[in-house]
Amino acid sequence: SYVLTQTPSLSVAPGQTARITCGGNNIGSKNVHWYQHQSGQAPLLVVYDDYDRPSGIPERFSGSKSGNTATLTISRVEAGDEADYYCHVWDSSTEVVFGGGTKLTVL
Amino acid sequence: EVQLEQSGGGLVQPGRSLRISCTGSGFTFGDYLISWFRQAPGKGLEWVSFIRSKAYGGTIEYAASVKGRFTISRDDSKGIAYLHMISLKSEDTAVYYCSRLPSGSVAPHYAFDIWGQGTMVTVSS
Repeated sequence: SYVLTQTPSLSVAPGQTARITCGGNNIGSKNVHWYQHQSGQAPLLVVYDDYDRPSGIPERFSGSKSGNTATLTISRVEAGDEADYYCHVWDSSTEVVFGGGTKLTVL
Repeated sequence: EVQLEQSGGGLVQPGRSLRISCTGSGFTFGDYLISWFRQAPGKGLEWVSFIRSKAYGGTIEYAASVKGRFTISRDDSKGIAYLHMISLKSEDTAVYYCSRLPSGSVAPHYAFDIWGQGTMVTVSS
């Protein structure tokens, strides 16, 4: 089945930019979605369909794709952004595929 | 307010069964695909199963890790989805989440937009 690869961890200082990557074979042909998962809470959709933001998600969160990599960019990182971030694609119409997750630490 | 409320869960012995529930409110539950996910301690999110809306046949998919042991179902008249788990193993220990796809069936540009609060299932003797 399809595999998504994420860097396990990333540390960023407040006010800086975090770039969280998600790699997959021919990912350019797939629609990539991103979730924020904070400890003890339900996951939260932050970007869908590569770069669209749900209502209520700050503009600091943006998505992009290039080649075999999708990227979630968080600008002007805040302490409240500390969380695990997961990318998601659909493999055919029968399977949900997640990346392994990236733990974002705000220094 | 659109929300999913989960119930059930708890401590269960290996080999036993358990059913967890997911109740939707604030939207027409029957119009949406409902999915279950889990997160084992120290692990990432894992998809478990989903059920399409009745308009798409109510068809079901399972992850290989649970196929044959878990059964997803829905009662749209009550706005509830269930996950019935049998022959539970220690590796099924996880926080289980239900979620809604803003569509009755899979479409690549759709993502899971509403999530339940999660319910802990612990399989241990």
